[in-house]
Order: sequence, then structure tokens, then C-alpha cells
Amino acid sequence: QLQLQEWGPGLVKPSETLSLTCTVSGGSFNSSSYYWGWIRQPPGKGLEWVGSAYYSGTTYYNPSLKSRVTISVDTSKNQFSLKVNSVTAADTAVYYCARQYAGVDAVFDYYYMDVWGKGTTVIVSS
Amino acid sequence: QSVLTQPPSASGTPGQRVTISCSGRSSDIGSNYVYWYQQLPGTAPKLLIYRNNKRPSGVPDRFSGSKSGTSASLAISGLRSEDEADYYCATWDDSLSGRWVFGGGTKLTVL
Repeated sequence: QLQLQEWGPGLVKPSETLSLTCTVSGGSFNSSSYYWGWIRQPPGKGLEWVGSAYYSGTTYYNPSLKSRVTISVDTSKNQFSLKVNSVTAADTAVYYCARQYAGVDAVFDYYYMDVWGKGTTVIVSS
Repeated sequence: QSVLTQPPSASGTPGQRVTISCSGRSSDIGSNYVYWYQQLPGTAPKLLIYRNNKRPSGVPDRFSGSKSGTSASLAISGLRSEDEADYYCATWDDSLSGRWVFGGGTKLTVL
């Protein structure tokens, strides 16, 4: 059974870099059927897509965060990572990693989050 | 402010049928499939409906999804206490070089 586990520092100082890693186990990481993504949820608020990466290294970012975000993939370790630069209190959130299934049918190309990690809380504070 | 518009709250009594709406635009719901996620308190979101109206294995057939034009709906029939959760719609938005967008979420209360 596929499992995803986020890990990294739970406290980051303002203006510094937030770094998280997601380890994937129990399933195929190097598959053309999947992207790997990060989604975050500020306290008491809704979900926000941060960005996604393909196992080949191709990345897609939320335009509102693109200038500060980097997602990388390490296929040798079945891991993908998130870095957010110059963080502020607005980056405080639960960060989830997720598998995104990709497919094509007669109507649309599509991909969607089908398996999520449990999430990790990151607080930005001095 | 979320790109997709959902009512902030909904409620029903056990056994009732409730619907949650999700409104978007031609560049998002109008051009792509819609997905629904259930988030129980203190847990990660769980995929409930994919590609407008399909249920993953293990999701009861009490849950159903539909889409028409630039709007979508999630229906829950035979409401149960364990359905009390936050529900989010989501889709791909073809504008701004492409991005995933979510609704603001609907908190469902089972009275």
C-alpha cells in the first residue's frame, strides 16, 4: 500500500528557507503515470496547491509562489523535496505531500491528487 | 479568496440528502474535470470523487458528483454522523500558465 511521509523542521525563522522532504514507500516512484505534489493549509483555512514535479524533474508551480518555490526529485531515494525561500508568517501551514495520478481520455488530459501524506506543521516565527 | 466558490457551511439530519455546490469559470471547471476531497477533523484530505462523478474504491455510493458547465455538485445521501467533515472541490485552471485550484471548503454538520 502506497504511503507518503513528510518530514522536516517544524519551526523556521522569518526570511529563512523552509525545507521539507516526502518519502514514498510501497509503490512505484519512477512511473510515467504519476506526478508528485505539495499542498499546504494555513491554520483554519483552505487548501492551496504549491507545486508538482514529475520523476524526470519537470516541475509546475503555483504562479503566486513560483518566485520562491523549488521542488526537486531524488529517484534513488524515492523522495521529493520542497524549498520555500524568504518565508514569512503567511507561510505557516500544514504541508501535505501527495501523489498525483496522470491520465488521458477522449475528453481531457488530467491529473489529480489521489494519495496524501498525513501532513507536517511548519510554523514561521522568530 | 478561493478561485472556486463553495458555501462555507451545510447541514442535515441523519438519513437526509445534502448537496454542496462548487462554482467556477470557463478556464477551470468549464475546461477540466472536477474532484472532491473530504477532510475529517485533524486529518489529511481524502479523495472522494474524481473525474466529475467517479468514486475510488472504498467510497460508499452514498457519495455522488456531477458537473454542468462551470459548476459542479457533491451529493451525499443517507447522511451519517461520520460524514461530518470539510469538503473541498478542486480542478485544474488553464489560466496563468496553469495551476491547481481549490474551493474554500464547506463544513458539513450532521445535526
